[in-house]
Amino acid sequence: KAGVTQTPRYLIKTRGQQVTLSCSPISGHRSVSWYQQTPGQGLQFLFEYFSETQRNKGNFPGRFSGRQFSNSRSEMNVSTLELGDSALYLCASRGGWGSPNYEQYFGPGTRLTVT
Amino acid sequence: KNEVEQSPQNLTAQEGEFITINCSYSVGISALHWLQQHPGGGIVSLFMLSSGKKKHGRLIATINIQEKHSSLHITASHPRDSAVYICAVRPRNRDDKIIFGKGTRLHILP
Repeated sequence: KAGVTQTPRYLIKTRGQQVTLSCSPISGHRSVSWYQQTPGQGLQFLFEYFSETQRNKGNFPGRFSGRQFSNSRSEMNVSTLELGDSALYLCASRGGWGSPNYEQYFGPGTRLTVT
Repeated sequence: KNEVEQSPQNLTAQEGEFITINCSYSVGISALHWLQQHPGGGIVSLFMLSSGKKKHGRLIATINIQEKHSSLHITASHPRDSAVYICAVRPRNRDDKIIFGKGTRLHILP
């Protein structure tokens, strides 16, 4: 079974631009979560989607948004990029919503650098 | 105060040593995860626990729900175990938003 894939793996953008990151979950997984990792804040939850619906959202400004498609693939978008958005963005998928016992599988991440 | 605290923050040990990393949390949880992150960023889920103990190869994870504490042990440590180990909890009453510890950076010397 193929793992979680994320594209692109590396990205350099300038302040003010917008960016879209993509995540393909493990086949059969319907839940996709997004996380931001920075040296200062560590890993932080961005949002989780299940069956094309956003189920949870972390404490991030509205510049961060996401969506999920009918095939469970997910995208996240960051508009009006700031230097502080430079981070590793990780996507994780799991099988079911509502049960704590479904293990999460992480993708390799997209490293975004904002200059 | 962070809801998930890990100790130590950094750990350097000799190859072969027994390693213990601790995680304490302050909220009621439905599950606790131990994650491993190697340089370059990729994260691997090592264990998911809701009670008791799990073992996988040289790795052992334990959890005490009453004391809100979990430990990750590595027996016969090896330089390839060098990584950041992250504890994460899924709170029982907060709409399933996972909370991460800051991580423990482990360096095993050959």
